[in-house]
Amino acid sequence: GAVVSQHPSWVICKSGTSVKIECRSLDFQATTMFWYRQFPKQSLMLMATSNEGSKATYEQGVEKDKFLINHASLTLSTLTVTSAHPEDSSFYICSALNAYEQYFGPGTRLTVT
Amino acid sequence: RKEVEQDPGPFNVPEGATVAFNCTYSNSASQSFFWYRQDCRKEPKLLMSVYSSGNEDGRFTAQLNRASQYISLLIRDSKLSDSATYLCVVNIPTSGTYKYIFGTGTRLKVLA
Repeated sequence: GAVVSQHPSWVICKSGTSVKIECRSLDFQATTMFWYRQFPKQSLMLMATSNEGSKATYEQGVEKDKFLINHASLTLSTLTVTSAHPEDSSFYICSALNAYEQYFGPGTRLTVT
Repeated sequence: RKEVEQDPGPFNVPEGATVAFNCTYSNSASQSFFWYRQDCRKEPKLLMSVYSSGNEDGRFTAQLNRASQYISLLIRDSKLSDSATYLCVVNIPTSGTYKYIFGTGTRLKVLA
C-alpha cells in the first residue's frame, strides 16, 4: 500500500514555457502533500506544503507565482512551473502524507533548454 | 546550526560489516523521526520510522535519543544492495502544523 505516482517522469521544455506535474496518491487519501526539489548531489529541499482545499504554504525563497500548486482533491496535487528557465532544471519530487509517514512519487526530471 | 545534520560520508565498508549512522536535530519539539533510503536518481523510500523505544527490522535497528537529540541507524551484515544514501527526516512543528526536514544524507558503499 501507500503508492504515489507522479507524471510525467521526465520533461524537456523550452525556456519561457510552463510545465505541469501531477502527483497522485493511488491507494490512500492525502490531505497533505509536499513538493520537493533536488539538485545533483544535494538533499531534498522542501518547496511547499499542499493542503487539500486550501492554499499551499511555500517555503522561504520559493516564489508562489512561479510555482503554482493546486491540491484539488484528496488524491491529486499539481505543481505548475510557469515561465520556466534553465535554472529551474531539477528533479522535482512529491510526497503524500499517510498518517505521519511520507510516501514519495518517483519524481519528475525537468530540463529547460 | 542546521535543523537536521548528518555526516555525508561516504562510508565504505566491506560486505558483512556492521555500520552505524547518526543524525542530530536541533528542535527539541520534534515529534517524529524517520530513516529513508535513496538510490541514485530515484525517489526516497521509507526504511523505518523511529520510535522512542527503538525499533528493529531485520538487519536494521533504529534508535532515538531525545536527551541528546539524535537518532541512529545500525545496519548489520551489510549487503552490496545496501549501497545507497540514507536520509534522516525529522518532523518539526511549525505554525500549527508540521513540516518534514531532510538531512543531507549519508552515502554508504558496501564493497565486495
